[in-house]
Amino acid sequence: EVQLVESGGGLVKPGGSLRLSCAASGFTFSSYSMNWVRQAPGQGLEWVSSISSSSSYIYYADSVKGRFTISRDNAKNSLYLQMNSLRAEDTAVYYCAREDTALVRGTFWYWGQGTLVTVSS
Amino acid sequence: QSVLTQPPSASGTPGQRVTISCSGSNSNIGSNYVYWYQQLPGTAPKLLIYKNNQRPSGVPDRFSGSKSGTSASLAISGLRSEDEADYYCATWDDSLSGVVFGGGTKLTVL
Repeated sequence: EVQLVESGGGLVKPGGSLRLSCAASGFTFSSYSMNWVRQAPGQGLEWVSSISSSSSYIYYADSVKGRFTISRDNAKNSLYLQMNSLRAEDTAVYYCAREDTALVRGTFWYWGQGTLVTVSS
Repeated sequence: QSVLTQPPSASGTPGQRVTISCSGSNSNIGSNYVYWYQQLPGTAPKLLIYKNNQRPSGVPDRFSGSKSGTSASLAISGLRSEDEADYYCATWDDSLSGVVFGGGTKLTVL
């Protein structure tokens, strides 16, 4: 069974940093592209970033480009999102989501339960 | 303002058929597959339709998707109370080099 478990969320001050993790199990992690998708309270879904299976291809939404960094460790079956220079508008539940291919297609076949990031002073 | 346009709400009575539209442009829907996601209250989203009109295993055939030009639609037939959820369309945008979502449609079963 595919399982994605996010962690690392919490309360952080504007301008601060946070690192999210996503632990994957139940499939061969190194064979699939991975994504981060977020949802602000009471709002819709917003794609954040994608990374291909071998980390060769990486994409970011304009809203986070230059501030967030996606990475993965295939040996540890883990996906990460380093978030710097956080703003109030980054407050959201962050979901880790798996694709069905090694290449980035921007498709979200499996989702984690999400981790809440709150940016507030 | 979302790149893809969906109606904010839709409703129907049990047994009815409802459709949810998703409008985009040549750089997104017009040149890429459309995906639909269902988000039940308080839960993570779930893939409902992939590649315009394909259902993942386990998704009832009451759900169907279609695409024409720069628009797509999700149809739900034989509406049930458990279909009450938020529905999102999504696709890749070649101009933005990223995924774009619709703003979401809240479906109410009356």
